[in-house]
Amino acid sequence: TQLLEQSPQFLSIQEGENLTVYCNSSSVFSSLQWYRQEPGEGPVLLVTVVTGGEVKKLKRLTFQFGDARKDSSLHITAAQPGDTGLYLCAGGGGNYGQNFVFGPGTRLSVLP
Amino acid sequence: KAGVTQTPRYLIKTRGQQVTLSCSPISGHRSVSWYQQTPGQGLQFLFEYFSETQRNKGNFPGRFSGRQFSNSRSEMNVSTLELGDSALYLCASSWGMVGTYEQYFGPGTRLTVT
Repeated sequence: TQLLEQSPQFLSIQEGENLTVYCNSSSVFSSLQWYRQEPGEGPVLLVTVVTGGEVKKLKRLTFQFGDARKDSSLHITAAQPGDTGLYLCAGGGGNYGQNFVFGPGTRLSVLP
Repeated sequence: KAGVTQTPRYLIKTRGQQVTLSCSPISGHRSVSWYQQTPGQGLQFLFEYFSETQRNKGNFPGRFSGRQFSNSRSEMNVSTLELGDSALYLCASSWGMVGTYEQYFGPGTRLTVT
């Protein structure tokens, strides 16, 4: 069974600070996805990374897929209160035939 | 383009009853996946349907079942409800295989079992 771990579990920072959250596994994934979920809503896809070592940028968010395709990180520059939410990584499915799994999430709170 | 819709949004049931939840995917999407989200276990994959066939199934008991219709709409059924089934049930649709194509989530159905 492939599992995803995320750290930290909780993070509370001031507006303007930078932060990095991590997603790790002992399994290789064909791709990893990052989502953000706000209370009362379903997760919203932020990015999909598919190539080992890949780096993708989405405005102030930078996503990286590890060379071995077992881990990923999300870096937010100059965090804003609107970044507050539950950040989830997910992987599996696809051509590897793995079940699609989500990590437990990092709950981020950005204080004004 | 309309998003994924789920009905009902909220549901209260009693232990031992059964429940059916509905999901309408984004037009043109052929894959529908179901997830259970609880504070303790997080988001867990239930199953994925593609062109009316179950393609993948998570680690849930047989009380959880689903189906997909020819118009890609999907239903999920839980029989003999238990207190631990209280959760947010999320449906997601994608054009193709989960993990390969982007999936879009609905707002969820909040099920409370008393």
